[in-house]
Amino acid sequence: GAVVSQHPSWVICKSGTSVKIECRSLDFQATTMFWYRQFPKQSLMLMATSNEGSKATYEQGVEKDKFLINHASLTLSTLTVTSAHPEDSSFYICSARDRAGVLADTQYFGPGTRLTVL
Amino acid sequence: QKEVEQDPGPLSVPEGAIVSLNCTYSNSAFQYFMWYRQYSRKGPELLMYTYSSGNKEDGRFTAQVDKSSKYISLFIRDSQPSDSATYLCAMETAGGYQKVTFGTGTKLQVIP
Repeated sequence: GAVVSQHPSWVICKSGTSVKIECRSLDFQATTMFWYRQFPKQSLMLMATSNEGSKATYEQGVEKDKFLINHASLTLSTLTVTSAHPEDSSFYICSARDRAGVLADTQYFGPGTRLTVL
Repeated sequence: QKEVEQDPGPLSVPEGAIVSLNCTYSNSAFQYFMWYRQYSRKGPELLMYTYSSGNKEDGRFTAQVDKSSKYISLFIRDSQPSDSATYLCAMETAGGYQKVTFGTGTKLQVIP
């Protein structure tokens, strides 16, 4: 089946530093990848949609200069949280799409990355 | 008003019980309805996916959609301790900008 990995699974950093999270599709090519953020007891919120070779599309209210997304290949997308602050602490989840069609049927989620900013 | 409302629970049931999980929504443009299971500190896993109104059954799981009431349900029969997880409902519109809107999730605990 379609497998999506994320690295690291857990990261702690100091306030003001930058953190990079990788999302990889292991056994398929993903033309589109999605980045979500999940706070405790809250729903997954879509941050941005990333297409290979083009700029990411950010959802309203998401700072594109703070959350840098690069989708350089068909199997790798990265999310960089720049100048991280404690309020950026959250669970970040990526998903990758293996083909066109309804998202429900084509989107596979990674295991998530827990970011804690001290 | 949130587009998708889901009782966060927690919901505790004894092993073997029938579990009923529900969501309501306000956007009549939603056409695809999903249920995801999410274990602690893991990504969501798609359990069930239905299009428009009706029922869909898969093993111990049954998904129901009532578009007239804007109400969806997931039933779990013969619940097992391994079913203990957070269950998220999710919805998607047809065509246009594709985006999945999630509920907050209901935390379920099945007690042996």
